Amino acid sequence: GAGVSQTPSNKVTEKGKYVELRCDPISGHTALYWYRQSLGQGPEFLIYFQGTGAADDSGLPNDRFFAVRPEGSVSTLKIQRTERGDSAVYLCASSPGTSGRNEQFFGPGTRLTVL
Amino acid sequence: GNSVTQMEGPVTLSEEAFLTINCTYTATGYPSLFWYVQYPGEGLQLLLKATKADDKGSNKGFEATYRKETTSFHLEKGSVQVSDSAVYFCALSAAGGTSYGKLTFGQGTILTVHP
Repeated sequence: GAGVSQTPSNKVTEKGKYVELRCDPISGHTALYWYRQSLGQGPEFLIYFQGTGAADDSGLPNDRFFAVRPEGSVSTLKIQRTERGDSAVYLCASSPGTSGRNEQFFGPGTRLTVL
Repeated sequence: GNSVTQMEGPVTLSEEAFLTINCTYTATGYPSLFWYVQYPGEGLQLLLKATKADDKGSNKGFEATYRKETTSFHLEKGSVQVSDSAVYFCALSAAGGTSYGKLTFGQGTILTVHP
């Protein structure tokens, strides 16, 4: 079946602009996670959804970052007033459940570049 | 908080050499431990996992044993191939509480295998 998809694959924007990054999880997966990966680093947790609600947003760096999952499937990560430090690869992952033992399936990522 | 430390890389080996990538962790309780791999141009994918102490995860000739006493999960392969060239990430998922399965990653180790 189809894996996790993310769009766009690349996004170049100017400092101060607003961007939206989309994640389409594997059908039927209730858990959805967003991570951010800076160059040469491992992914860092941003936010987790169980169904439609954000159960844990402790990794969001500040209030410029926001994410939604209105119908419990597709999720959108929104970044306002982008800064050069927001440049990174944003990864989305989905999982069939919330157990820590479950495998997370990752999308290919969106590479965000803020000029 | 939870953390994962991987051996510093990059690692360069000749084909058929023995591979070890060290990984140690800090976490309370009994986390689940994972190795994820990122091949060139591809997304993160699970390589193997172990969910309790003394468990051995294995896949594609790679192995790692969950060592609670040394808080380690070292990755090994007896004979590497050129096709194993990739970035390898050690990760943990904290047990219970409000972790909801979110992953904490190490910084990654770049492996290059030469013919």
